[in-house]
Amino acid sequence: GAGVSQSPSNKVTEKGKDVELRCDPISGHTALYWYRQSLGQGLEFLIYFQGNSAPDKSGLPSDRFSAERTGGSVSTLTIQRTQQEDSAVYLCASIQNYNEQFFGPGTRLTVL
Amino acid sequence: GEDVEQSLFLSVREGDSSVINCTYTDSSSTYLYWYKQEPGAGLQLLTYIFSNMDMKQDQRLTVLLNKKDKHLSLRIADTQTGDSAIYFCAELEGKLIFGQGTELSVKP
Repeated sequence: GAGVSQSPSNKVTEKGKDVELRCDPISGHTALYWYRQSLGQGLEFLIYFQGNSAPDKSGLPSDRFSAERTGGSVSTLTIQRTQQEDSAVYLCASIQNYNEQFFGPGTRLTVL
Repeated sequence: GEDVEQSLFLSVREGDSSVINCTYTDSSSTYLYWYKQEPGAGLQLLTYIFSNMDMKQDQRLTVLLNKKDKHLSLRIADTQTGDSAIYFCAELEGKLIFGQGTELSVKP
């Protein structure tokens, strides 16, 4: 595709359930980021994949959060045992170099 | 720390210039960025500046960088109502770290 896609666009779940959020980056881009944006807040860094290097997981808020990137392409962010404070928009960014950056439309997660 | 700081709100009249300020944290950051987020829309890279530059101009946008003070600004000339959005600055220090965003409101 021409851009970054994320699915689902909206996810409503019950507290305690697990969720998986998907990001399809631009083909050939080596870097992929996950951020989350709470209502009225900035972008909170979660995790960063760069090529075949070990991911930078320093932004993951707890061990309930994990992410993987298969084959250097599609990435899945998994949140286990969701809590209400996990409610946010989760954004994925596909980056090739310093000036080629494309953000997906986000997944709006609501934990009831 | 990793706190890139911006003022939260700015209100200007149509036709005036807008200046959005940002203080970043890492003097070794190689690139600094400005993004625009319109309501209900994704994040869009507006412009960037390399750390060895003091100024960059791109049509109505002017970016100023003061490395000594770790201060970055975005000036929008002849601000239009379509410029109303949230503007984020970010620094690249290995990874992209964002400020909390400045909401620009343009009044006719």
